[in-house]
Amino acid sequence: DTGVSQDPRHKITKRGQNVTFRCDPISEHNRLYWYRQTLGQGPEFLTYFQNEAQLEKSRLLSDRFSAERPKGSFSTLEIQRTEQGDSAMYLCASGREGEFTEQFFGPGTRLTVL
Amino acid sequence: QKEVEQNSGPLSVPEGAIASLNCTYSDRGSQSFFWYRQYSGKSPELIMFIYSNGDKEDGRFTAQLNKASQYVSLLIRDSQPSDSATYLCASPGGKLIFGQGTELSVKP
Repeated sequence: DTGVSQDPRHKITKRGQNVTFRCDPISEHNRLYWYRQTLGQGPEFLTYFQNEAQLEKSRLLSDRFSAERPKGSFSTLEIQRTEQGDSAMYLCASGREGEFTEQFFGPGTRLTVL
Repeated sequence: QKEVEQNSGPLSVPEGAIASLNCTYSDRGSQSFFWYRQYSGKSPELIMFIYSNGDKEDGRFTAQLNKASQYVSLLIRDSQPSDSATYLCASPGGKLIFGQGTELSVKP
């Protein structure tokens, strides 16, 4: 399978704990995106990378969120001191460089904060 | 800040009918739009993209973009129960700006 993969698929944590998610993009894609989706809403942009450089970060993203893509391949998204409002599906997508190129989504990581 | 608005539905149509899904946007500079389909519990998948004013047809799907009215739509002809899903319009430009999605239900 050469699609976008995410790990874990599900994460249940207690409020205040830190969590880290991993995304492995399609290998030839140099752009990697993170989105968050809550029930009944469309995906909301969080941040994106071109190779290892983080090019944009949503103003809605608090300081508790950090993302890395150290070698321009896989990426991690960390949430520190989780809150119940962080419960959502975290989607990773990858694509080729360009304004209007398709983004291919992974299966997502569903986070539940108790 | 770009905004994309959709009627969240649900939209229910009988099998074989035409389903019409609509989206409005705030940024007059938007040149193109994507339509993604998302089945329940799954991730979005691209089904159509439109880069210019007018219509684009692909099988049973037709996307329409009207830049003057800042309106984009997706028509699904001969709707099938397998088309039941949430349809998301998205404005590209690096990141995607999504509408909230319209849930479509096709009844046999």
